[in-house]
Amino acid sequence: QVQLVESGGGVVQPGGSLRLSCAASGFTFNTYGMHWVRQAPGKGLEWVAFIRYDGSKKYYADSVKGRFTISRDNSKNTLYLQMNSLRVEDTAVYYCAKDIVVVGPEAFDIWGQGTMVTVSS
Amino acid sequence: SYELTQPPSVSVSPGQTARITCSGDALATKYPYWYQQKSGQAPVLVIYEDSKRPSGIPERFSCSNSGTVATLTITGAQVEDEGDYYCYSTDSSGNHRGVFGTGTKVTVL
Repeated sequence: QVQLVESGGGVVQPGGSLRLSCAASGFTFNTYGMHWVRQAPGKGLEWVAFIRYDGSKKYYADSVKGRFTISRDNSKNTLYLQMNSLRVEDTAVYYCAKDIVVVGPEAFDIWGQGTMVTVSS
Repeated sequence: SYELTQPPSVSVSPGQTARITCSGDALATKYPYWYQQKSGQAPVLVIYEDSKRPSGIPERFSCSNSGTVATLTITGAQVEDEGDYYCYSTDSSGNHRGVFGTGTKVTVL
């Protein structure tokens, strides 16, 4: 079945870096755009970033632009989020999600279970 | 900036109709998507492309749109429909950024 599995979360100090991964299976990964979405503890959902199916286009939320980089390796069916200059306010569960259409960004139809990132000194 | 506004909470008795609104200027040209999130779980898509339901989503979920307001309706709400609901759309200005609504907590009791 279609599945997304995130990994790489953990505890990091402010100013530090972390790289999240999302392993995809059950669908043709290289034909869909992918997103990262996050949710701070007790808060709502926040869209973070999108990457087109071939990596040619990337879009970011203002809150992470210049600090986070989304990328993908279609040969490994894996999505990444490199997070640099982390701030306390980046503390959240990070979800990867598959775009609902071939040419996105549009929305999400499949979500992973999320990985927790805690930024704390 | 692009915003989508939802009421913080909606409460109904089992079998009643729950209505959740989502308002924002860009909804005049784009239908929102709707997600349900139960406690401790990842969100699940419940409505897409105006009022389509993914496989496995009950018929009691529907959506209507009028101008800049979209309404998710749960007709005959069940206890298992409790959770947080979010609308979602992309910024229509062309910057391709996504925006979630502020979220609505639905209680069925």
